[in-house]
Amino acid sequence: FVLTQSPGTLSLSPGERATLSCRASQSIYSNYLAWYQQKPGQAPRLLMYGASSRATGIPDRFSGSGSGTDFTLTISRLEPEDFAVYYCQQYGSSPRTFGPGTKLEIK
Amino acid sequence: EVQLVESGGGLIQPGGSLRLSCAASGFTVSSNYMNWVRQAPGKGLEWVSVIYNGGSTYYADSVKGRFTISRDDSKNTLYLQMNSLRAEDTAVYYCARDPIFAYGVGVWGQGTTVTVSS
Repeated sequence: FVLTQSPGTLSLSPGERATLSCRASQSIYSNYLAWYQQKPGQAPRLLMYGASSRATGIPDRFSGSGSGTDFTLTISRLEPEDFAVYYCQQYGSSPRTFGPGTKLEIK
Repeated sequence: EVQLVESGGGLIQPGGSLRLSCAASGFTVSSNYMNWVRQAPGKGLEWVSVIYNGGSTYYADSVKGRFTISRDDSKNTLYLQMNSLRAEDTAVYYCARDPIFAYGVGVWGQGTTVTVSS
């Protein structure tokens, strides 16, 4: 089970819209796809689960979509604190799998 | 408050063994799927192992046969026994509640560092 994330690096400015992609090598059971945000020196934080449900405490500028093998994380208006690395993970089967990550950097 | 606190990391020689612990509070480990995830210096997240609420266990190919995941329900604690350690096992190790039964309440530990070096 391979997850591919694109782009590898995304350079945007605060206030812009970010679109991150995660593609699976096979269909993910029940769309059990999660997105995580990780900042330097910190543990990852759960953003989205079930492809499109926001985790507790996550602002509504974050949204997820997709099904089967193609998934998207969208950040509608970037805030300075959103610049980080984002990982997708499938948890529909074991072994679980993470994507390689997308680094969202300030332009 | 839901929380995970790892311990047990350190410097270990190649071929050695180490046991990591992950103490949970605010939720029940045995009712959840629980994972170990690691991150080598400057690299991405690598899933290591999961234990299901029913007790089934699964491992990444890179650690199969060397690592064992377990839990102590009386202590609400998750463990990772690591044997035959290699330099490539050097990483920060996180325990994490699997999203499958978490209903949006993600919980990760702060991480514990394992360094395998002579």
